[in-house]
Amino acid sequence: AQSVAQPEDQVNVAEGNPLTVKCTYSVSGNPYLFWYVQYPNRGLQFLLKYITGDNLVKGSYGFEAEFNKSQTSFHLKKPSALVSDSALYFCAVRDGSRTGNQFYFGTGTSLTVIP
Amino acid sequence: NAGVTQTPKFQVLKTGQSMTLQCAQDMNHEYMSWYRQDPGMGLRLIHYSVGAGITDQGEVPNGYNVSRSTTEDFPLRLLSAAPSQTSVYFCASSPHPSSNEQFFGPGTRLTVL
Repeated sequence: AQSVAQPEDQVNVAEGNPLTVKCTYSVSGNPYLFWYVQYPNRGLQFLLKYITGDNLVKGSYGFEAEFNKSQTSFHLKKPSALVSDSALYFCAVRDGSRTGNQFYFGTGTSLTVIP
Repeated sequence: NAGVTQTPKFQVLKTGQSMTLQCAQDMNHEYMSWYRQDPGMGLRLIHYSVGAGITDQGEVPNGYNVSRSTTEDFPLRLLSAAPSQTSVYFCASSPHPSSNEQFFGPGTRLTVL
């Protein structure tokens, strides 16, 4: 079975500090991994993805994520948080080895950046 | 391009009523999907379509029907609404089934009394 876990419902960080939002996954084949962000009363917006290649993936708004196959993790990071980064973040996975087209989302992590 | 559009933005139904949530995209995307978002449960896939005339069930399909008569439109039908279907519904699309980035609509907030 495919699944995604986001162990933290809420993450608080001071403005200017580095931030990390955690994600672990489970797939039977090759993992395709994604991060999306949701601002209040809006749909999800794509941030970045890992398909293959370099384990460090860079995305929009200065975010990056590190794929770790041995730990089955795909944590989202940013070196210096901004107040405008406060939002709900979702990790998602798709099994790239399967012909099925289902994406599985985590439960989301609410990030608050404190001025 | 308008991207992915959803109507209505808000809807209140009584138990047993039926309604259709509309979703349209103008990007000629083959893949379209419906999710529901509930507190503490993230997004769960209801139904998806890999092209006109082709639909399939996702994780939580019960109580919902879909059809895909055109590439642009992917309506979600609730035949007999139940309070458990109170949720925020998102439609998403991507260029083709193996594409990885999904584009999401703004959502429909549905309350079933």
